[in-house]
Amino acid sequence: QKEVEQNSGPLSVPEGAIASLNCTYSDRGSQSFFWYRQYSGKSPELIMFIYSNGDKEDGRFTAQLNKASQYVSLLIRDSQPSDSATYLCAVRGSQGNLIFGKGTKLSVKP
Amino acid sequence: NAGVMQNPRHLVRRRGQEARLRCSPMKGHSHVYWYRQLPEEGLKFMVYLQKENIIDESGMPKERFSAEFPKEGPSILRIQQVVRGDSAAYFCASSPTGSGEETQYFGPGTRLLVL
Repeated sequence: QKEVEQNSGPLSVPEGAIASLNCTYSDRGSQSFFWYRQYSGKSPELIMFIYSNGDKEDGRFTAQLNKASQYVSLLIRDSQPSDSATYLCAVRGSQGNLIFGKGTKLSVKP
Repeated sequence: NAGVMQNPRHLVRRRGQEARLRCSPMKGHSHVYWYRQLPEEGLKFMVYLQKENIIDESGMPKERFSAEFPKEGPSILRIQQVVRGDSAAYFCASSPTGSGEETQYFGPGTRLLVL
C-alpha cells in the first residue's frame, strides 16, 4: 500500500518568515509529486508539481525533491497570513490517481 | 474557460436514501477522478473514469457505491442507502488524457450530510 506521510502540524510561522513543509512517500518508484493548498471548506488548489530531483521555483514557492531519500518538501518564502491553509502533498499512483497525505496545517501570524 | 463543475454543492440526505453527485470536467478533459474527504482526514481516491469506461475503482467501497461517465453528460457518483458514515466532502478532479505528468484540477466539491 503506497503511503504519503506529512506532519499534521499546526506549523506556525511569523509573517515574512520561510515556511518549510515536508512529505515522505513509501513507493520508491514514484515519479510525479504535487503540492496542493486547501483553505478550510474549499477544494484543493494546485500550487506546484515536480518530477525531477532538485529544486523547482515558482514565485515565493520552491518544491524540492530527493528521490533517494524519498521526500519532497515545499518552501514558502516571505510567508503571508493569506498562506494560512492546509497543504497537501500528493504522489501519483500507478493508475494515474493521486495518493494524498493528510496535510499540514500552516498558520502565518501577522 | 470554465473549471471543473460539481453539483449540488451541498446535499442533505436521510439514512437509507440515495445520493447522486455530478461532475462536469474541464473543457477538453476526458479523464475524471473522484475523491472523498472525511472530516479532519486527507483526500482518498475512489474511482478513475474515462468516457464510458471505469479505469480503476480500487478505492470504491464494494457495496452501495457506483460511478459512471457516459458518452454524453456529466460523471455521476451514486451512493445508495446512505449511512451517517458517508457524510463527507466528495471532490471530482479532471485531466486531459491521464498521462503521468499531467496535473489534476479539482472541482468545488459536494458536501454530503447524512442525517
